[in-house]
Amino acid sequence: GAGVSQTPSNKVTEKGKYVELRCDPISGHTALYWYRQSLGQGPEFLIYFQGTGAADDSGLPNDRFFAVRPEGSVSTLKIQRTERGDSAVYLCASSSFGPTGELFFGEGSRLTVL
Amino acid sequence: KQEVTQIPAALSVPEGENLVLNCSFTDSAIYNLQWFRQDPGKGLTSLLLIQSSQREQTSGRLNASLDKSSGRSTLYIAASQPGDSATYLCAVSADDYKLSFGAGTTVTVRA
Repeated sequence: GAGVSQTPSNKVTEKGKYVELRCDPISGHTALYWYRQSLGQGPEFLIYFQGTGAADDSGLPNDRFFAVRPEGSVSTLKIQRTERGDSAVYLCASSSFGPTGELFFGEGSRLTVL
Repeated sequence: KQEVTQIPAALSVPEGENLVLNCSFTDSAIYNLQWFRQDPGKGLTSLLLIQSSQREQTSGRLNASLDKSSGRSTLYIAASQPGDSATYLCAVSADDYKLSFGAGTTVTVRA
């Protein structure tokens, strides 16, 4: 596609529920990133994929968060047993030149946990 | 841990005035620095990317400088327009892929 696509754009769920957020990067981009942005803050790093493997998942806040990229393209961020503190905008980005290239961000998935 | 600070947090100027946005970071061992623009409810758009070996980058009315040794970058926007109203975020790549962001400067350009 022309840009990074994220679905859903908005997700409202209840505390304790399971949520999946999808990211479709720019075609051919091997590097994919997930960031989380809370209101009034800059994005915080969650996880970085190079191809199919998670090269660095040190930003995932706890074991309720998990992300996959099975075929090296689309990625899914999975959140189990959601908590109110998980409410944020989850941003996905991709890059063609790997780590030091320009990042292209999607518009984000806004998650609200009631 | 890399800390990125942007001052001021908000800025309001009349149309036509030049904008100066500041970014400072604590660890000077960076690979690159990027400036992004974020419109309300939207994702981030990359404006300028400065590699660690460069001192500045320019694109149209935008110019960004980088002083690695002092841990500072400045984004200049010449002859501001109402369409420049947005939040501007600075981010540094300290370990070659992970970006550390500032909280941003929200700019309002008054017509």
